[in-house]
Amino acid sequence: QKEVEQDPGPLSVPEGAIVSLNCTYSNSAFQYFMWYRQYSRKGPELLMYTYSSGNKEDGRFTAQVDKSSKYISLFIRDSQPSDSATYLCAMVLRGGNKLTFGTGTQLKVEL
Amino acid sequence: GAVVSQHPSWVICKSGTSVKIECRSLDFQATTMFWYRQFPKQSLMLMATSNEGSKATYEQGVEKDKFLINHASLTLSTLTVTSAHPEDSSFYICSTLPRTKPQETQYFGPGTRLLVL
Repeated sequence: QKEVEQDPGPLSVPEGAIVSLNCTYSNSAFQYFMWYRQYSRKGPELLMYTYSSGNKEDGRFTAQVDKSSKYISLFIRDSQPSDSATYLCAMVLRGGNKLTFGTGTQLKVEL
Repeated sequence: GAVVSQHPSWVICKSGTSVKIECRSLDFQATTMFWYRQFPKQSLMLMATSNEGSKATYEQGVEKDKFLINHASLTLSTLTVTSAHPEDSSFYICSTLPRTKPQETQYFGPGTRLLVL
């Protein structure tokens, strides 16, 4: 079993839809949680990070962490074609600095 | 967000040659830098952790004599792929950790695409 599980997709949604991306993890020692967006042939771009259970909002993006269920989500409101990319969840262990990535979910927002 | 640059952005080389990739932290000093490799449609795989002024720490299965890492300053780390072979063709990405906020997350460079013929 992988430490971090993420559905690879692809996920296709119409423009304007609310997108829900999810990851589950098995190690309760993960303390920091991030979401990265990666366009084709580019490096990952940090979207959101959080370290506590609950919601964190930034513009059209909301990151949600449920440590009791070992489940994190990223919601994208009013999705745009420019949101089409691969979304990677990542986590860091308590006291550590190495990122453990999910496999990434490929998202396509269609006109 | 932080700015991290990589050079070159892409490189084609002949089998058996060595290739050096630079990673620069432009906005802040980075005590720690990381090197990743990414194959098509796969996630990032950590190769090594590079600490300024000390030897790099390599992940299991990564040959340290093949992938030479030098972190000579707080803003520059280099990865040299020695005696490159076609199976080394991949997307190499570096990331940096801000020196003043070690618990903050990593900022990634744009990546270097390597093709070994």
